[in-house]
Amino acid sequence: DTEVTQTPKHLVMGMTNKKSLKCEQHMGHRAMYWYKQKAKKPPELMFVYSYEKLSINESVPSRFSPECPNSSLLNLHLHALQPEDSALYLCASSQGVEVVMEKLFFGSGTQLSVL
Amino acid sequence: GQNIDQPTEMTATEGAIVQINCTYQTSGFNGLFWYQQHAGEAPTFLSYNVLDGLEEKGRFSSFLSRSKGYSYLLLKELQMKDSASYLCAVGGTGFQKLVFGTGTRLLVSP
Repeated sequence: DTEVTQTPKHLVMGMTNKKSLKCEQHMGHRAMYWYKQKAKKPPELMFVYSYEKLSINESVPSRFSPECPNSSLLNLHLHALQPEDSALYLCASSQGVEVVMEKLFFGSGTQLSVL
Repeated sequence: GQNIDQPTEMTATEGAIVQINCTYQTSGFNGLFWYQQHAGEAPTFLSYNVLDGLEEKGRFSSFLSRSKGYSYLLLKELQMKDSASYLCAVGGTGFQKLVFGTGTRLLVSP
């Protein structure tokens, strides 16, 4: 299994809603990532978990809250988002030997729209 | 900081060869990746270069010159399915940070 699975594929939420994005991998990878990608722009790193510990937080606003319940799962909790947060949210994983500088396996993403 | 430049868009014909360039300026260097991303889909890994020279993998090759801060991705025998965005991503030292370029949209026509 070389897949990273993300749910939901699409999400529409209001600015007062609370929602969560989920990501799962069963490749035994020990590093997991959240990226944000706006249309026609490159992915931007948000968070990195290495061995279930948050190792990188790219100064992301607190309305985004990551969680890594175990080595296979990664969540992104969303609360009080703004319309400018609308984007494709990509989860990725890698072996974890050389965090970030390794081949990344991406999920197909959650397309988020904030109204 | 890190600065990565790629052409915004390129067009080519089926069966042809195309070279997509990437120039970068980073504080240190820790490797360069190329990813392919079809519209609405996740990026997929194509190649990784950390030493100077050419890495060949089937129809795709990637070249790196660290002294010039330059890489290219060479696609041979182009197929319609190669129409996609090609992202150059560079890692600098000290920050464990991989920065993606803005990507090059390649359109392959019959």
